[in-house]
Amino acid sequence: QSVLTQPPSVSGAPGQRVTISCTGSTSNIGAHYDVQWYQQLPGTAPKLLIYANSNRPSGVPDRFSGSKSGISASLAITGLQAEDEADFYCQSYDSLLSSWVFGGGTKLTVL
Amino acid sequence: EVQLLESGGGLVQPGGSLRLSCAASGFTYGNSAMSWVRQAPGKGLDWVSAISGSGGTTFYADSVKGRFTISRDNSRNTLYLKMNSLRAEDTAVYYCAKESGTVSTPYVDYWGQGTLVTVSS
Repeated sequence: QSVLTQPPSVSGAPGQRVTISCTGSTSNIGAHYDVQWYQQLPGTAPKLLIYANSNRPSGVPDRFSGSKSGISASLAITGLQAEDEADFYCQSYDSLLSSWVFGGGTKLTVL
Repeated sequence: EVQLLESGGGLVQPGGSLRLSCAASGFTYGNSAMSWVRQAPGKGLDWVSAISGSGGTTFYADSVKGRFTISRDNSRNTLYLKMNSLRAEDTAVYYCAKESGTVSTPYVDYWGQGTLVTVSS
């Protein structure tokens, strides 16, 4: 099991809004360590989507947004597009493990 | 443009060794901490190891501690991962990753394309 828990899959129709949750514990997200989100399109390397909980690197559309509260974080995608179909991973740091930690990944399907 | 180009992957027998390399360009390499992150076939991302910009500080996941060694040559803008005593569970695509963020919460802002390591007899 991954230290950070994500739903295995989410889906939505084009134009809709979907959210992906990432639940940790008091030794990672709840300990005020930042959360990042990465998007991995099929057959490609991951790409940074959100850093420091809610910041977008240049070039990432504002349809993607991140938030964090307590021991959880969320990624929201609005105006869903077919090209958004990908695997999404959350990432933080865990003080008990002294290690980076990732979520198990969520597969987004655009119906 | 930041580029990270991994090499050195391949098929190795259990118990064997392999050294991965990552040639970096497009940024001030010596100022950036670097990491290796792996992904087993059909699985999620798994952080392996990290090294400070100077190379003086290294970090390892418990699963590879004592078997893998991360190092860097700042004169050649190259990152390395020496992997010994390889096991079947080390089979994965290994990504070279440029770090950003803070010491307390680093993250990857650029990823290489990955190199496949297969451990099998």
